Amino acid sequence: GENVEQHPSTLSVQEGDSAVIKCTYSDSASNYFPWYKQELGKRPQLIIDIRSNVGEKKDQRIAVTLNKTAKHFSLHITETQPEDSAVYFCAAATSYGKLTFGQGTILTVHP
Amino acid sequence: DADVTQTPRNRITKTGKRIMLECSQTKGHDRMYWYRQDPGLGLRLIYYSFDVKDINKGEISDGYSVSRQAQAKFSLSLESAIPNQTALYFCATSGGGGETQYFGPGTRLLVL
Repeated sequence: GENVEQHPSTLSVQEGDSAVIKCTYSDSASNYFPWYKQELGKRPQLIIDIRSNVGEKKDQRIAVTLNKTAKHFSLHITETQPEDSAVYFCAAATSYGKLTFGQGTILTVHP
Repeated sequence: DADVTQTPRNRITKTGKRIMLECSQTKGHDRMYWYRQDPGLGLRLIYYSFDVKDINKGEISDGYSVSRQAQAKFSLSLESAIPNQTALYFCATSGGGGETQYFGPGTRLLVL
């Protein structure tokens, strides 16, 4: 089955800096890659996703890049703010729709 | 997202007891999922169902069972709870031709 590895497990940045979280996947058939944000005590919520026919996608301060050849994808957050502090999860899925999640990254943005 | 609800929100039980966690959704989605979240391990899939007559095991189904009573309802049971089943449990749904999964608020379970 699919295996998703996520790094780093914790990330601490100063407000205004950029943050990058990286994931690798094992199943070359995976074609859908979402990122979820989970604030403390809350449910995971989708923040951005990318499909395998696209190399990069942006939404305001967040962007995701995908390298199908290397089987890795990354989340980029620019101009970080304290409210970006949360746990971020990457995931991968085939067209069958079953998601496999990474282990999560605890992002802390210091004012 | 009030469209996906879970009951109870918190539960304390004892080893060996049978318990049921319930999930309901008003999104009209056909696909429903149960995940378990443990610190440092992310979200792991327990069971999933793509329609009322379809039930599939996920990566950690041992010790759990599920029932899809209707398109809108998907229940997770622990037949004989054990302490290492202490975790945060999330239900999720997807459908309408989209792949996005929408999570419920979670059930925090403590097995003593």
